[in-house]
Amino acid sequence: EAQVTQNPRYLITVTGKKLTVTCSQNMNHEYMSWYRQDPGLGLRQIYYSMNVEVTDKGDVPEGYKVSRKEKRNFPLILESPSPNQTSLYFCASSLDVAQETQYFGPGTRLLVL
Amino acid sequence: RKEVEQDPGPFNVPEGATVAFNCTYSNSASQSFFWYRQDCRKEPKLLMSVYSSGNEDGRFTAQLNRASQYISLLIRDSKLSDSATYLCVVKGNNRLAFGKGNQVVVIP
Repeated sequence: EAQVTQNPRYLITVTGKKLTVTCSQNMNHEYMSWYRQDPGLGLRQIYYSMNVEVTDKGDVPEGYKVSRKEKRNFPLILESPSPNQTSLYFCASSLDVAQETQYFGPGTRLLVL
Repeated sequence: RKEVEQDPGPFNVPEGATVAFNCTYSNSASQSFFWYRQDCRKEPKLLMSVYSSGNEDGRFTAQLNRASQYISLLIRDSKLSDSATYLCVVKGNNRLAFGKGNQVVVIP
């Protein structure tokens, strides 16, 4: 089944404790991105990657890192999480940047205490 | 001016009625336009693309007005299952910009 998976789905952590949210897609997509969704603010892009080893900042990259060592994986790293990073995070992929359909993962709910 | 603007609503719609809403965008060089549907904090899913000539998919009609820089979505004969948030998405410069969404609540 074609899909985007994220892990963990739910996470409660404390300020400053490094964490990684994994994202994997099995559709051989080139384009992958991370979004956060907050009430009243909608979906905002954190980082995106147009292909392996190519990443770029989105609208709200501060406090986040990403890597794209393999085509299928695009982990999101929070080196030192803070409470303002409490949010719902979505990973998405598409065949390429021009492709119409973005396939979203199921989301990761993160609470930083 | 925000990149993509939508009136969040909610739009309370009697079952069987028609509802329509617009989304405005600020970048006149935007290349592609879409409507996504999102159910209660689940992942967004593509509902339909929006073409210059307008397009229809069953009870859903999308239109684009480049001169006034807005897109619209119309839902006819609303069903209870149409209750969701509809996200306007605009593509340009290798990235997507999302609106905050129009929340639709179909009432029995």
